[in-house]
Amino acid sequence: EVQLVESGGGLIQPGGSLRLSCAASGFTVSNHYLSWVRQAPGRGLEWVSLLYSGGATYYADSVKARFTISRDNSKNILTLDMNNLRAEDTAVYYCTTYDWGDSYFDNWGQGTLVTVSS
Amino acid sequence: DIQMTQSPSSLSASVGDRVTITCRTSQTIYRNLNWYQQKPGKAPKLLIYSASTLQRGVTSRFTGRGSGTDFTLTISDLEPEDIATYYCQQSYNIPYNFGQGTKLEIK
Repeated sequence: EVQLVESGGGLIQPGGSLRLSCAASGFTVSNHYLSWVRQAPGRGLEWVSLLYSGGATYYADSVKARFTISRDNSKNILTLDMNNLRAEDTAVYYCTTYDWGDSYFDNWGQGTLVTVSS
Repeated sequence: DIQMTQSPSSLSASVGDRVTITCRTSQTIYRNLNWYQQKPGKAPKLLIYSASTLQRGVTSRFTGRGSGTDFTLTISDLEPEDIATYYCQQSYNIPYNFGQGTKLEIK
């Protein structure tokens, strides 16, 4: 069974940095497309970043040059390094798998809340 | 970027009703459209992919239609468990934008 468990969220001041992790089980991260999707409090879903199994990475314009998606194959985890955080980055961050064949987000973690506030 | 317009933003219906949610895109995405259900406090769940293919394990009361720029999600025989917010999402081009969501309430 595929399972994704996010961690690393919390309260951070504007301009600060945070690393989110997503522990994967039931599959190997190196063989899958993986993504981060976020949801600001009371708002809709926003795609953040995508990591292809081959290593290519893609980002929403709102986080480009500030966020970095990567994976640690030895630990079977996905990470999101977030720098220069802004209030508008406050959201629940979900880790997902992405089915590249039929192009959808299929498995989702429970999410981790990031709050950017002074 | 492809813009998503989902309507209505909310709707209220009775148990047993049939409801339809619409999603329109700013350019053709062929059939690269997915639908998700999100219950309060939970992660989204994939319902339908490629416009009309039901994800395994999802009840056939959910039906997706459309192609090009206009898509619909229909829920038949509404049940109390269908209370949720529904999102469309295009998978034709990065950024993989979502619609604004439709909050479904039961009367």
